[in-house]
Amino acid sequence: KAGVTQTPRYLIKTRGQQVTLSCSPISGHRSVSWYQQTPGQGLQFLFEYFSETQRNKGNFPGRFSGRQFSNSRSEMNVSTLELGDSALYLCASSSTAALEQFFGPGTRLTVL
Amino acid sequence: GESVGLHLPTLSVQEGDNSIINCAYSNSASDYFIWYKQESGKGPQFIIDIRSNMDKRQGQRVTVLLNKTVKHLSLQIAATQPGDSAVYFCAEGGSQGNLIFGKGTKLSVKP
Repeated sequence: KAGVTQTPRYLIKTRGQQVTLSCSPISGHRSVSWYQQTPGQGLQFLFEYFSETQRNKGNFPGRFSGRQFSNSRSEMNVSTLELGDSALYLCASSSTAALEQFFGPGTRLTVL
Repeated sequence: GESVGLHLPTLSVQEGDNSIINCAYSNSASDYFIWYKQESGKGPQFIIDIRSNMDKRQGQRVTVLLNKTVKHLSLQIAATQPGDSAVYFCAEGGSQGNLIFGKGTKLSVKP
């Protein structure tokens, strides 16, 4: 069974731009969660989608948003990028309510 | 200002020795815990999980111990190998259905 895939793997943007990251979960998994990983803050929860609905949300500003499609693929969007948004963005999928999450390789976002 | 990175605890062991990685969790109501391994340039990889109704669970070369009294979790790796070198995270199931991650411990295995 193929694992969680994320595209692109690396991205460089400038301040003020927006970015969209994509995640394809493991086949059959309906829950997709997004995390931000930085050296300063570690792994922090952004939001979780289940059956096209955002079910849970972490403590991030409204510039961070996401969505999930009927095939469970998910995208997250960050608008008006700031330098502090530079991070590894990880997507994880689960077959149940966010338990036993399986992570993708991440998208490394650099904001200049 | 200057970004200060997390000070990761580091554990250095000799190849073949057993490793014990410790983690303190915050919420006494948490009922699910996971250990992840993250190698450089990769996403976290699931190692083993445990529910709060258990105090020990064994996998292949790994054992997780849960002490709910002191809110402590540990991961034991038997016969540590160079391929075990990575950052290890514990995570607890949060009230929002998300995972709350600890700071991580960097394991270095000396050949």
